[in-house]
Amino acid sequence: QKEVEQNSGPLSVPEGAIASLNCTYSDRVSQSFFWYRQYSGKSPELIMSIYSNGDKEDGRFTAQLNKASQYVSLLIRDSQPSDSATYLCAVLRGGYSTLTFGKGTMLLVSP
Amino acid sequence: KAGVTQTPRYLIKTRGQQVTLSCSPISGHRSVSWYQQTPGQGLQFLFEYFSETQRNKGNFPGRFSGRQFSNSRSEMNVSTLELGDSALYLCASSLAVAGVEQFFGPGTRLTVL
Repeated sequence: QKEVEQNSGPLSVPEGAIASLNCTYSDRVSQSFFWYRQYSGKSPELIMSIYSNGDKEDGRFTAQLNKASQYVSLLIRDSQPSDSATYLCAVLRGGYSTLTFGKGTMLLVSP
Repeated sequence: KAGVTQTPRYLIKTRGQQVTLSCSPISGHRSVSWYQQTPGQGLQFLFEYFSETQRNKGNFPGRFSGRQFSNSRSEMNVSTLELGDSALYLCASSLAVAGVEQFFGPGTRLTVL
């Protein structure tokens, strides 16, 4: 079983819609969760971090964490073509500093 | 505040050669991690340094090595390059050792011919 799983996509949404990106993880002792955005040819950019169950909102982005279900998601409201990128889910085990990444979901936002 | 810097940005080497990549973390950050990104394997952890000590190492052969200097700058070295070492090598820095956000540099694109 892969440690961090994401649907590779592409996930296609029209401009202005809500994009929902999902991630599951296998290690129950994971405690820190991150979403990175990576444009083609660029390095990953941190956009959200979440550490406790529930929702965390930052502008158009909302991260959701459910540790019981080992599930973390990212919602992007009012999606823009500039949001078109690969979104990487990353997980940290408690007490460790080694990020484990999913392979990413490609998001395509059409005008 | 300046971000993470990596040099060089691009490298072309031939099989059997060795290469050294450099990373300067964000000012004040003492933890530096290295990752390899390939289309097939995604992002994979190489190693992590904190206060000049290697804290963790990923599942890579001994040809991959690294070090950290007293000013927190880090280098990684790959010896006896293989075609499969062609990848984007990313450095990430963070304030502390565990559980906190990591910020990536622009990466070094290594091509092995």
